[in-house]
Amino acid sequence: DAKTTQPTSMDCAEGRAANLPCNHSTISGNEYVYWYRQIHSQGPQYIIHGLKNNETNEMASLIITEDRKSSTLILPHATLRDTAVYYCIGATQGGSEKLVFGKGMKLTVNP
Amino acid sequence: KAGVTQTPRYLIKTRGQQVTLSCSPISGHRSVSWYQQTPGQGLQFLFEYFSETQRNKGNFPGRFSGRQFSNSRSEMNVSTLELGDSALYLCASSEGGGETQYFGPGTRLLVL
Repeated sequence: DAKTTQPTSMDCAEGRAANLPCNHSTISGNEYVYWYRQIHSQGPQYIIHGLKNNETNEMASLIITEDRKSSTLILPHATLRDTAVYYCIGATQGGSEKLVFGKGMKLTVNP
Repeated sequence: KAGVTQTPRYLIKTRGQQVTLSCSPISGHRSVSWYQQTPGQGLQFLFEYFSETQRNKGNFPGRFSGRQFSNSRSEMNVSTLELGDSALYLCASSEGGGETQYFGPGTRLLVL
């Protein structure tokens, strides 16, 4: 699975958009970019995934660069409940049952 | 639909004992994956079961085992517990064809 690189941490003001970056240094053409988040001591929560087109759902938007070397997860109006560790993961559709989690990025939303 | 459920939520054992953890997947999901999360190693994949067969396996010793039943419920077992087995054990389910995994709340195991 692709190795991803994320900043260790990021702060965001409540109500503002949170833009979480991820670099996929070895992503291949058939690897999806998955985003999960984990609020303290809970199970990871699926957010969104995409292959090459931008994706949007009720939680977030995912912007993937044309060369697919990086992506940005956008939380349009961050709330205090969005404070969590966010994981960006690359996985083939046939390999998504064994996700390889990195260290993730701690997002802190401040009032 | 109900989400993934795991029992028990908390468990305390002593070294040398064995433990069995249970996971009930989302209705209709046929794949169950197990992960171990520790502060030092992060989230690590243990194994995945699909249609009662282990389909993928992570790099863990043989003390860690699992099984899946015909109703897709899964159990994992850890024998001869060590202090380092203290962790949050998470299970996730998916439909089984490479779709998105959905995680349960986890079982927190403390080995004394």
